[in-house]
Amino acid sequence: GENVEQHPSTLSVQEGDSAVIKCTYSDSASNYFPWYKQELGKGPQLIIDIRSNVGEKKDQRIAVTLNKTAKHFSLHITETQPEDSAVYFCAASRAGNQFYFGTGTSLTVIP
Amino acid sequence: DAMVIQNPRYQVTQFGKPVTLSCSQTLNHNVMYWYQQKSSQAPKLLFHYYDKDFNNEADTPDNFQSRRPNTSFCFLDIRSPGLGDTAMYLCATSLPGQGRADTQYFGPGTRLTVL
Repeated sequence: GENVEQHPSTLSVQEGDSAVIKCTYSDSASNYFPWYKQELGKGPQLIIDIRSNVGEKKDQRIAVTLNKTAKHFSLHITETQPEDSAVYFCAASRAGNQFYFGTGTSLTVIP
Repeated sequence: DAMVIQNPRYQVTQFGKPVTLSCSQTLNHNVMYWYQQKSSQAPKLLFHYYDKDFNNEADTPDNFQSRRPNTSFCFLDIRSPGLGDTAMYLCATSLPGQGRADTQYFGPGTRLTVL
């Protein structure tokens, strides 16, 4: 089965700095890679996703990059704000729709 | 607004007392999932329905059962909750395209406490 690893487990940045979270996956058949933000006591919320036919995708301050050859993908948040503080999960999936989650990154943005 | 709704948001039950959690969706998605999430951990898939087809994860305890009476509703039954079942239970839905995965939408979760 698929194995998704996520690093770092905790990340603290100063407000305005960038944050980068990295994930690796093992199954070359995985073709869909979403990123979720989870605030305390709430369900995960999709913030950005990327498919295997694309190398990079950007949405305002958030971007995701995918390297299929190396089997890794990364989340980039620029100009971080205190409201970006949350736990972020990466995931990998393919046809058949099993989603495999990383172990999460707790991001703290220090004002 | 189309969404995934979970009820109740908070549930407290006693050790061994059966409990049912419910999930409904207005997205008309054909796949529905139940996840268990313990504190500071990733969501762990318990099972999912692809239309009416039930798919159980190999390590999901027999204590956990699910029902999907129609496209919109899905229930999680815990027959004899133990203290270790205290967790957030997340429902999610998706609408896969042919040969590819599609976006998964989560509900707000039900926080279950077993005393």
